[in-house]
Amino acid sequence: GAGVSQSPSNKVTEKGKDVELRCDPISGHTALYWYRQRLGQGLEFLIYFQGNSAPDKSGLPSDRFSAERTGESVSTLTIQRTQQEDSAVYLCASSPSSSYNEQFFGPGTRLTVL
Amino acid sequence: RKEVEQDPGPFNVPEGATVAFNCTYSNSASQSFFWYRQDCRKEPKLLMSVYSSGNEDGRFTAQLNRASQYISLLIRDSKLSDSATYLCVAKGGGSYIPTFGRGTSLIVHP
Repeated sequence: GAGVSQSPSNKVTEKGKDVELRCDPISGHTALYWYRQRLGQGLEFLIYFQGNSAPDKSGLPSDRFSAERTGESVSTLTIQRTQQEDSAVYLCASSPSSSYNEQFFGPGTRLTVL
Repeated sequence: RKEVEQDPGPFNVPEGATVAFNCTYSNSASQSFFWYRQDCRKEPKLLMSVYSSGNEDGRFTAQLNRASQYISLLIRDSKLSDSATYLCVAKGGGSYIPTFGRGTSLIVHP
């Protein structure tokens, strides 16, 4: 079956612009996670959805970052007024449930802010 | 959120070598542990879960020491294709959010 997909695969934007990143999880997966990975660094947790609700937003680095999920399916991560330090790979992962151990990752969106 | 610590490496080993990575976790309430593999410019993928009794999958052996709060991964007879970053993950202890280590880089050379 289809895995987790993310779009766009690459995004180059100018400082100060808003960007929207999309994640399509595996069908039926209720848990969805967003991570950020800077070059040569580990995964930084951003936000977690269980269904359409986000019980844990603790990882969002600033109020410029927001995310939503609709229909227990697609999720969008929005970054407003992008800064150069936002440049990173944004990874989305899904699981059948929050208690399921394995996470299935998408290929990521590589964001470059000039 | 509690931390998972790994030696970033790189570990540079010849083909056929045995190499071991350790990882420590600070949340004693963590219940589930995993090793993920991440190839260069790719997404992480689950390599294996880590069980209290230790578990083996082919050339890979994972062990958990709860008393000392560390997890290990042993790779025997290293292959060129084993070159990747290995991420240690802990989950549980009151949170559904897995905590990822920064990863250990392995380079296997001919």
